[in-house]
Amino acid sequence: EAGVVQSPRYKIIEKKQPVAFWCNPISGHNTLYWYRQNLGQGPELLIRYENEEAVDDSQLPKDRFSAERLKGVDSTLKIQPAELGDSAVYLCASSPGQNQPQHFGDGTRLSIL
Amino acid sequence: DAKTTQPPSMDCAEGRAANLPCNHSTISGNEYVYWYRQIHSQGPQYIIHGLKNNETNEMASLIITEDRKSSTLILPHATLRDTAVYYCIVRGPFGYNQGGKLIFGQGTELSVKP
Repeated sequence: EAGVVQSPRYKIIEKKQPVAFWCNPISGHNTLYWYRQNLGQGPELLIRYENEEAVDDSQLPKDRFSAERLKGVDSTLKIQPAELGDSAVYLCASSPGQNQPQHFGDGTRLSIL
Repeated sequence: DAKTTQPPSMDCAEGRAANLPCNHSTISGNEYVYWYRQIHSQGPQYIIHGLKNNETNEMASLIITEDRKSSTLILPHATLRDTAVYYCIVRGPFGYNQGGKLIFGQGTELSVKP
């Protein structure tokens, strides 16, 4: 079984530029999560999807962050414009259902110059 | 905030059992204990979870005390590749539009040494 695939693995941009991350979850997994992990900290949930519906986006900074999951499969997370404090690893996870173990991708490491 | 307390770091000799403790004294009756680990530059990896019975899979064993206020993750024969940060997480069930989030604490940094 293929795992959660994320791209790119690394991204370096200047502040105020836009950036997007892509996630392909495990086939058949209806629940998809985006997390942010700051250096030396554990991951923190940004948004959770059930199929194509965002059911928990309470931790997503909506002024600059947006996400979508078209057709309930792949998902993208966008930041526009990026700020210096957005430097972090952005992780995607998926699970077969909302109460089942989550499986993570290896993340996108974002560096803002 | 995380509902668990773990030692910040532990060492283990290669080939020996690694026993990682976790305190979760405020756990509720419907909350599960989950363990994940994160190897450097990788995403967290699911290891095991349990409610009140001890659990075992191909990776590890989970021992939960009878009062459920603490648990121990056991890696029976640690290898160098088990060096990672281990997270103990208490997680309730999702209801639609409710909680059930994985809230990661600081974890235990396990170093397996030759």
